[in-house]
Amino acid sequence: AQKVTQAQTEISVVEKEDVTLDCVYETRDTTYYLFWYKQPPSGELVFLIRRNSFDEQNEISGRYSWNFQKSTSSFNFTITASQVVDSAVYFCALTNAGGTSYGKLTFGQGTILTVHP
Amino acid sequence: DGGITQSPKYLFRKEGQNVTLSCEQNLNHDAMYWYRQDPGQGLRLIYYSQIVNDFQKGDIAEGYSVSREKKESFPLTVTSAQKNPTAFYLCASTRQRGAQETQYFGPGTRLLVL
Repeated sequence: AQKVTQAQTEISVVEKEDVTLDCVYETRDTTYYLFWYKQPPSGELVFLIRRNSFDEQNEISGRYSWNFQKSTSSFNFTITASQVVDSAVYFCALTNAGGTSYGKLTFGQGTILTVHP
Repeated sequence: DGGITQSPKYLFRKEGQNVTLSCEQNLNHDAMYWYRQDPGQGLRLIYYSQIVNDFQKGDIAEGYSVSREKKESFPLTVTSAQKNPTAFYLCASTRQRGAQETQYFGPGTRLLVL
């Protein structure tokens, strides 16, 4: 069975602060994919990043960066110099490539990020 | 513009009534998915379809039904057997089947029970 845990239910920061959203996953497969999605108040999930289990390079995209560590089964997401527009619910998710692979996403509970001006 | 559309945005269901949520994509994607989101929770998979005329149950299929007669369409029916249907429903699609594919989501339908 696979599981994704986002221990931080809610985070509140002031604009320009850096913030890290934690994601810990469990899976028995050696090949898997990790994702982050953003859900703004409108409700639609917006894809942010996909990472496969063989690529442990950290990634930076503008103010966003991701730290993938297989040794601790974590895939954390950092927003640098946060802005009010970053306020949203953020989901970490996992798919396995093994067995009857059909791309089922297992989601964490989500972290509500509020950035105050 | 290419994308996924869901309608209606809000849907109200009376007791004992079946309702159908629409999901259409013009991305020429092979696979489509339906998820349910409850307040403060992550998404849970209801049904998925990897090709036309074929679909499979997800984790919480009871009380729901789907069809996939056309590649671009994957409607979800919430039947009267679903005792707690109030939730936010999201449709997604991927270019091909498989775990490596990124799922892209529609804007969602919010279902409320009268």
